[in-house]
Amino acid sequence: GAGVSQSPSNKVTEKGKDVELRCDPISGHTALYWYRQSLGQGLEFLIYFQGNSAPDKSGLPSDRFSAERTGGSVSTLTIQRTQQEDSAVYLCASSLGMLGTDTQYFGPGTRLTVL
Amino acid sequence: EDKVVQSPLSLVVHEGDTVTLNCSYEVTNFRSLLWYKQEKKAPTFLFMLTSSGIEKKSGRLSSILDKKELFSILNITATQTGDSAVYLCAVLPKTSYDKVIFGPGTSLSVIP
Repeated sequence: GAGVSQSPSNKVTEKGKDVELRCDPISGHTALYWYRQSLGQGLEFLIYFQGNSAPDKSGLPSDRFSAERTGGSVSTLTIQRTQQEDSAVYLCASSLGMLGTDTQYFGPGTRLTVL
Repeated sequence: EDKVVQSPLSLVVHEGDTVTLNCSYEVTNFRSLLWYKQEKKAPTFLFMLTSSGIEKKSGRLSSILDKKELFSILNITATQTGDSAVYLCAVLPKTSYDKVIFGPGTSLSVIP
């Protein structure tokens, strides 16, 4: 398909385990964004990439969260030592150019459940 | 502190009604405002507004931005049950070093 894809679509893990979430942006999109939506709460911005670099990591909730993007394409969001409060839907979006100039297209999300 | 406020937070209407959803913002370095419709998991893009006073339309939906008064409205005419969703407003900053800021959303329920 031509849209943003994410995997896995659902992930159930035990507290304390590490998880990796993957995002494949639309081909040619240089900007990539990660968001989190917890049950009953609004959409929360986590981090964005322009190419392979992330200028601002202050949106990440704690140092257990990290993200990388290689080759200007696929991105992974890693959560170490997961906690129950990490349970949420993690959304990825991509846009053609610089932040603020182009529409963001969202992927279907990964639903993470930490038991 | 930058913020985006939406009202109402929740709305129930009957099919065929017209609704107006509001989004106001206090954001430094404003560049653009986006409207999304969210059903289930992922939001769907509706409109991107950058200039004041220019209405954008897509079928029964329309939106306009007022950069002087710092708000936007989203209108839905002749509502249908398929319009039931959470409508999100987001503000994109001018620089690449600021965060995207989302409002809390308006939950719209359209009943037959």
